[in-house]
Amino acid sequence: QVQLVESGGGVVQPGGSLRLSCAASGFTFSSYGMHWVRQAPGKGLEWVAFIRYDGSNKYYADSVKGRFTISRDNSKNTLYLQMNSLRAEDTAVYYCAKDLKYGSGSPIDYWGQGTLVTVSS
Amino acid sequence: SYVLTQPPSVSVAPGQTARITCGGNNIGSKSVHWYQQKPGQAPVLVVYDDSDRPSGIPERFSGSNSGNTATLTISRVEAGDEADYYCQVWDSSSDHFYVFGTGTKVTVL
Repeated sequence: QVQLVESGGGVVQPGGSLRLSCAASGFTFSSYGMHWVRQAPGKGLEWVAFIRYDGSNKYYADSVKGRFTISRDNSKNTLYLQMNSLRAEDTAVYYCAKDLKYGSGSPIDYWGQGTLVTVSS
Repeated sequence: SYVLTQPPSVSVAPGQTARITCGGNNIGSKSVHWYQQKPGQAPVLVVYDDSDRPSGIPERFSGSNSGNTATLTISRVEAGDEADYYCQVWDSSSDHFYVFGTGTKVTVL
């Protein structure tokens, strides 16, 4: 069965950096687009970034553009999110998520359980 | 940026029908997806491409989309349907790409 397991969350000071990882299994990782979606405590879902199945295209939310970088290693079935210049408003649970199908605008059919990132001094 | 507006809350008695709206400019021209999220859990896809259901999702969940409003309908509501629900679209006309609605808390009375 599909499994997405995030890791790398924790407490970091404002201005600091963190790299999240997502280990994928149970499907052909190299065939699907992948997302990072976050949820601040008590708030709604916010899409963060997307990467195409082959890494050829990457899209970012305005709120993280220039600070976050999404990447993937299809040989390791792993998705990454490099987060730099972190701010208090980046505090959230970060979910790794998989596209249901090929093509732009696909819905998300599987989500990880999330990893908490807390930006605080 | 493209904005999706949902009512903050909807209350419904067991066995009745809950309708959750998602408003957006000409949303009828886009494909709308709906997610259910229970406390402490990851979201679950319940309807995609306006009205399709993933395998394992009960037929009680249905969707429609026209004009400026998309709607998720939950028929014969059960206590287990109590959750937050989010609509989502892909907006190719802006830099925001994947947009989530503001979310609706469904309370089963």
